[in-house]
Amino acid sequence: NAGVMQNPRHLVRRRGQEARLRCSPMKGHSHVYWYRQLPEEGLKFMVYLQKENIIDESGMPKERFSAEFPKEGPSILRIQQVVRGDSAAYFCASSPSLGLIYGAQYFGPGTRLTVL
Amino acid sequence: RKEVEQDPGPFNVPEGATVAFNCTYSNSASQSFFWYRQDCRKEPKLLMSVYSSGNEDGRFTAQLNRASQYISLLIRDSKLSDSATYLCVVTNAGGTSYGKLTFGQGTILTVHP
Repeated sequence: NAGVMQNPRHLVRRRGQEARLRCSPMKGHSHVYWYRQLPEEGLKFMVYLQKENIIDESGMPKERFSAEFPKEGPSILRIQQVVRGDSAAYFCASSPSLGLIYGAQYFGPGTRLTVL
Repeated sequence: RKEVEQDPGPFNVPEGATVAFNCTYSNSASQSFFWYRQDCRKEPKLLMSVYSSGNEDGRFTAQLNRASQYISLLIRDSKLSDSATYLCVVTNAGGTSYGKLTFGQGTILTVHP
């Protein structure tokens, strides 16, 4: 059973470009979460999605950031007009159901975004 | 005040030592508690859940004190491979926030020969 998959693992963008980060949850998992880890900082929640629904986006910056989890295909975190401060590791996590191992989430290897 | 606070360390201990990490959380409505481990430039991995009754997994023991809003992790007989950052994690109750994990800053542990 493959784990959470993220791609690309490393992404380099120039200021003003768009970044698209993809996440495929573990098989059988219908809940997807995105977290950001800035250099020398802890992980911060960004958004929680289920298929075709954004459940909680309280951690998303108000502008330039968006996320989706379509009926088919991976979840996408999109950052428009990137700035240097967006450079970070972006982790995706998934869980099977809130009713199972409550709260435990399984993380992908992350995408390291560098903005030049 | 941060929602989850940990002593960042670093803790430098010799192999075989016993080391304890502490964590406090501010939201009394928090429902579930975990310790995750993160190796350098890797993803966080679930180490263990934390229950009020305390739980043990091999050399690792976790304890929760809801009244004091305090969580601990004890590692006995430290191994070189235990070197990592240990993350205290809570989830809060209510509405749509069930899915959100709140992480502490992490405690860095280095075990040396």
